[in-house]
Amino acid sequence: KQEVTQIPAALSVPEGENLVLNCSFTDSAIYNLQWFRQDPGKGLTSLLLIQSSQREQTSGRLNASLDKSSGRSTLYIAASQPGDSATYLCAVQETSGSRLTFGEGTQLTVNP
Amino acid sequence: EPEVTQTPSHQVTQMGQEVILRCVPISNHLYFYWYRQILGQKVEFLVSFYNNEISEKSEIFDDQFSVERPDGSNFTLKIRSTKLEDSAMYFCASSEPRGYNTEAFFGQGTRLTVV
Repeated sequence: KQEVTQIPAALSVPEGENLVLNCSFTDSAIYNLQWFRQDPGKGLTSLLLIQSSQREQTSGRLNASLDKSSGRSTLYIAASQPGDSATYLCAVQETSGSRLTFGEGTQLTVNP
Repeated sequence: EPEVTQTPSHQVTQMGQEVILRCVPISNHLYFYWYRQILGQKVEFLVSFYNNEISEKSEIFDDQFSVERPDGSNFTLKIRSTKLEDSAMYFCASSEPRGYNTEAFFGQGTRLTVV
């Protein structure tokens, strides 16, 4: 059974800092990995999707990497801003169209 | 930009009552999903729906749950006899698997409170 773990559970940084969020998964036979952002009491906003054949994806200040063989992904946020404060979730999908298995999330606070 | 819409945003119901949560997935998507998130816990998969039938379901999705696509646009989750432990945020999602692009898009959720 696939298990997804995110470290750290919470992170507080000053504005402008670069930061890395970590995600690990137990079964490396994944189809893709997706990073989401969740604001309190709100839905999930897709940030990046990395296909299993890719090693990284970039969107603006966000860069996600994938090391499938070691079961790890990182989300790098450059020049953090208070508006980046949210919970960041990673989720893996094992076949096309199948369920997403989520981690517990990292709650990020960026202080002005 | 196309989005997944869910109604209602918040529903309060009495234990034992039936509730129907509604979703309008993105129009050209082929896969539809329901997930739930109990307060303070992980997002959990409930069920996926493809080609007018359930394609996958979790152990949570027991006989009290059902899904339906009554027309070409709506996708519903019915809980027949609600329990206190069904209180959670319920999320609908959809994706359009085309080649390797299986990005899932989520709605804003329905907060279900069972009293």
